[in-house]
Amino acid sequence: DTAVSQTPKYLVTQMGNDKSIKCEQNLGHDTMYWYKQDSKKFLKIMFSYNNKELIINETVPNRFSPKSPDKAHLNLHINSLELGDSAVYFCASSQEVYEQYFGPGTRLTVT
Amino acid sequence: EDQVTQSPEALRLQEGESSSLNCSYTVSGLRGLFWYRQDPGKGPEFLFTLYSAGEEKEKERLKATLTKKESFLHITAPKPEDSATYLCAVRSSYNTDKLIFGTGTRLQVFP
Repeated sequence: DTAVSQTPKYLVTQMGNDKSIKCEQNLGHDTMYWYKQDSKKFLKIMFSYNNKELIINETVPNRFSPKSPDKAHLNLHINSLELGDSAVYFCASSQEVYEQYFGPGTRLTVT
Repeated sequence: EDQVTQSPEALRLQEGESSSLNCSYTVSGLRGLFWYRQDPGKGPEFLFTLYSAGEEKEKERLKATLTKKESFLHITAPKPEDSATYLCAVRSSYNTDKLIFGTGTRLQVFP
């Protein structure tokens, strides 16, 4: 059983389009996160949700909007995609402040 | 500002040649230091959590140690399958909801 899953694994789209990435965790964790990993492999947090409540909202353009329908799911919607949005996006989950478990990533390429 | 610096950026080892990876951190009250392993095209995989200076954790050929300013990941007699990028992250008492990652050490072990 996959603990943290993301779909799709690859996403290729044109500038200006709107796209979504979905994340699900079956670990029973209460907190979920979105991270962005750039071309230099630097991993930076974007958002976190605890029991469907937004906890962290880093300085991310408001074109990015997370949505958590329940504590097992956290989706990321991106409007008006730009070239600079190309990166790998990781979903993660944790129980309270303990270790985080990551999904396999979604490689977004904006052309 | 909380900061994590990892060195070296890249490390090439012969199989069986032991070495150490360094993670230096500046954080306002450490609430955990985390080591992750990341294989190409995959999400970070949790290895260890360390909470206080003097603490050590071991797993197979890996041993993580912690001081008040840095952590080391010692790799004893590495094998080619240990090749990966090793990421260090910290959680501070100022903001316990997020991890701050270093840029990683890319390890290659040659037979």
